[in-house]
Amino acid sequence: EAGVAQSPRYKIIEKRQSVAFWCNPISGHATLYWYQQILGQGPKLLIQFQNNGVVDDSQLPKDRFSAERLKGVDSTLKIQPAKLEDSAVYLCASSFTGNNSPLHFGNGTRLTVT
Amino acid sequence: AQSVTQLGSHVSVSEGALVLLRCNYSSSVPPYLFWYVQYPNQGLQLLLKYTSAATLVKGINGFEAEFKKSETSFHLTKPSAHMSDAAEYFCAVSGPRGGKLIFGQGTELSVKP
Repeated sequence: EAGVAQSPRYKIIEKRQSVAFWCNPISGHATLYWYQQILGQGPKLLIQFQNNGVVDDSQLPKDRFSAERLKGVDSTLKIQPAKLEDSAVYLCASSFTGNNSPLHFGNGTRLTVT
Repeated sequence: AQSVTQLGSHVSVSEGALVLLRCNYSSSVPPYLFWYVQYPNQGLQLLLKYTSAATLVKGINGFEAEFKKSETSFHLTKPSAHMSDAAEYFCAVSGPRGGKLIFGQGTELSVKP
């Protein structure tokens, strides 16, 4: 089966600019996650979708980050405006259901904010 | 609240030696526990998971982990390290209903020839 697809792979922007990341989950996976992985740290959950509804966005900095999953398939994560501390790898993952199904991760988007 | 702590941010072993990566968890509910591996510039790949069945869990690439409730531990082992095992390893926990994972800080494994 095709894996989780993410684009772009790399992005370099200046602080205060905007950026968007795209994720296409594995076909049939109802649950989609966005994680932020800062260098030297473990991934941190930003937001979890079940179909096109938000299940958990408690750690999403909502003043600058937004995410959507229209039609319950693809998802986009946006940062506006970006700060230096947003430099990280943004990982998308999906699972068949939210319960006891393994998460499948994409290769991530590496964001550098200068 | 749930959390995991990985002891040692970097472990170095010789090829053919035992690999032991330590993970301790904290959870107010029966946990599901996972080990993931991350190779450079790639996403995370599931090595193995514990979901309240057998306490000794076998995974891919010869890795295994043992759930010890009394020690709140879920250490990852492999009898004989291979050069291709060099990577970052993450322990993670979720609740009994599964869903989102909470990750540890990661342990970088180096394998010397």
